[in-house]
Amino acid sequence: GNSVTQMEGPVTLSEEAFLTINCTYTATGYPSLFWYVQYPGEGLQLLLKATKADDKGSNKGFEATYRKETTSFHLEKGSVQVSDSAVYFCALSGRDDKIIFGKGTRLHILP
Amino acid sequence: ETGVTQSPTHLIKTRGQQVTLRCSSQSGHNTVSWYQQALGQGPQFIFQYYREEENGRGNFPPRFSGLQFPNYSSELNVNALELDDSALYLCASSTLAGGVLYEQYFGPGTRLTVT
Repeated sequence: GNSVTQMEGPVTLSEEAFLTINCTYTATGYPSLFWYVQYPGEGLQLLLKATKADDKGSNKGFEATYRKETTSFHLEKGSVQVSDSAVYFCALSGRDDKIIFGKGTRLHILP
Repeated sequence: ETGVTQSPTHLIKTRGQQVTLRCSSQSGHNTVSWYQQALGQGPQFIFQYYREEENGRGNFPPRFSGLQFPNYSSELNVNALELDDSALYLCASSTLAGGVLYEQYFGPGTRLTVT
């Protein structure tokens, strides 16, 4: 079945550092790919998405590119801020529209 | 502000009891999905309702059941609670139209603790 594997956390970085959170997936067909973010005490928010191979999703300085050849959707940001501290979930949805989430990566940004 | 609300915020129940969680969808949405998020894990799909009918289900036993009302609000019912049911329960509302499910907006969740 469909699945998502993302790097385990926590990830701790200093402010203005470069961020990469790795995500790979297993799926039949051509799923849509997502990154969700969960800030402390809040619900999940869609951060960005990509619906077909080579698409790049971007939002709030974060980017991720849908790589079908490596079945990956790594999240990157050039310069992180303290306010980016949260839990990040990689996810996919297939033809049944059911969203499959990874286990999440907790990100701590130090001032 | 997504407009999806859930109640209650927190709940403590005893093993064997039954619980009902509620979700109010964002205005104009006709689909609601429920997810279970255990501590330190990603959310897992429980089921989805579209126009008051179940429209897909994940790997959860029948003691997890749901309802969607004409105003598109929804309930998640869990019978015979087990300790492993302790989790954050999330609902997400969206629009299904022309075979396309549009972005799902998540509520803040209900934290259920079973003792």
